[in-house]
Amino acid sequence: DIQMTQSPSSLSASVGDRVTITCRASQSISSYLNWYQQKPGKAPNLLIYSASSLQSGVPSRFSGSGSGTDFTLTISSLQPEDFATYYCQQTYGTSSAFGQGTKVEIK
Amino acid sequence: QVQLVESGGGVVQPGRSLRLSCAASGFTFSDFALHWVRQAPGKGLEWMAVISNDGNKKYYADSVKGRSTISRDNSKNTVYLEMNSLRAEDTALYYCARAYSYDLDYWGQGTLVTVSS
Repeated sequence: DIQMTQSPSSLSASVGDRVTITCRASQSISSYLNWYQQKPGKAPNLLIYSASSLQSGVPSRFSGSGSGTDFTLTISSLQPEDFATYYCQQTYGTSSAFGQGTKVEIK
Repeated sequence: QVQLVESGGGVVQPGRSLRLSCAASGFTFSDFALHWVRQAPGKGLEWMAVISNDGNKKYYADSVKGRSTISRDNSKNTVYLEMNSLRAEDTALYYCARAYSYDLDYWGQGTLVTVSS
């Protein structure tokens, strides 16, 4: 199975900061990479699909990039509602896997 | 609007079996693949299984292969997950999610399974 490694596992940032989270796949997954946001007590919410496409209704401060094995989620200007945990997910082939998550906390 | 509602969770003894259900509404159920994803308390998301829109293709994570069975009934707009030989480490919130192409665009709120004697 393809393994996904996210970094960092947590970070502290201030409102207005630019935040970058990375996700690395153990083998090439082309662009079959999604990003989700999860807030405490809630189900995950799709932010980015196919590595760089913004899901409808998601603010444009979120963006994704990458292909192959290395991917990035960027929040251009962190807002109070963005403090949450973020997960990448690969959907290449017949299986899927999530990264271990990145918790974004208030500095 | 799209809704996914999981049920069937609860407290179950180690070694026993459990069947979870996920009832869907607000979309043409037979057009979409469905996934099960779980989350142990305080932990990350773990992908478990996917079933194709017609139920003919099923794929599982290695961690649950052989102990779990995903199925669906398109006449009832429901997807199921049966788990056998439950262990303490299966304690988690179990989500079903709709697959739109290669992403999961709608999720239920989850059903909690606690494996304990």
